[in-house]
Amino acid sequence: DTAVSQTPKYLVTQMGNDKSIKCEQNLGHDTMYWYKQDSKKFLKIMFSYNNKELIINETVPNRFSPKSPDKAHLNLHINSLELGDSAVYFCASNSNNQPQHFGDGTRLSIL
Amino acid sequence: GESVGLHLPTLSVQEGDNSIINCAYSNSASDYFIWYKQESGKGPQFIIDIRSNMDKRQGQRVTVLLNKTVKHLSLQIAATQPGDSAVYFCAETPPGGYGNKLVFGAGTILRVKS
Repeated sequence: DTAVSQTPKYLVTQMGNDKSIKCEQNLGHDTMYWYKQDSKKFLKIMFSYNNKELIINETVPNRFSPKSPDKAHLNLHINSLELGDSAVYFCASNSNNQPQHFGDGTRLSIL
Repeated sequence: GESVGLHLPTLSVQEGDNSIINCAYSNSASDYFIWYKQESGKGPQFIIDIRSNMDKRQGQRVTVLLNKTVKHLSLQIAATQPGDSAVYFCAETPPGGYGNKLVFGAGTILRVKS
């Protein structure tokens, strides 16, 4: 299936831990994104990479570090997790100014 | 369901009726607009988009209207079906590129009664 896939789907961890979320797309897109959706369903862009180069970096704590090993993958590493990091994180991708395709999200819960 | 406790605008319609979901966008220079549908436990799914040089675009059972004078976007769904129940988001792209930095609205819950 052609898709944007994220792992894990659910992540429950303790405050202070470091965790990573992975995203892969097999759509041949050259741009990938990370969004955060809070408990009120508000969606906000965090980062965007185009051909492994960072092009959008919103005001996000530097505990969040995206990494793009190749244009089909964009991972998100989060250090020293805090309660406020609890949210659903969505990966998306697109090319050539076409609509962004989203994954089904990673629900991160901080205890 | 997931919408319990959410304080989003809610539109309840009878199956078979038409639905109109409205959105006010913030940047008068935005040049691209898009509607997404999000079902419970899923990611946003693309419905329809429109560029600022148009005021109307039609898809299958959906129509998007853009009024740049009042910075208003609407999504019309014809013959609404139970499968249309979801949260609907509009998003805009500020000037500088289409489809890249999306700024999302707050969302509207659509409930379809059978």
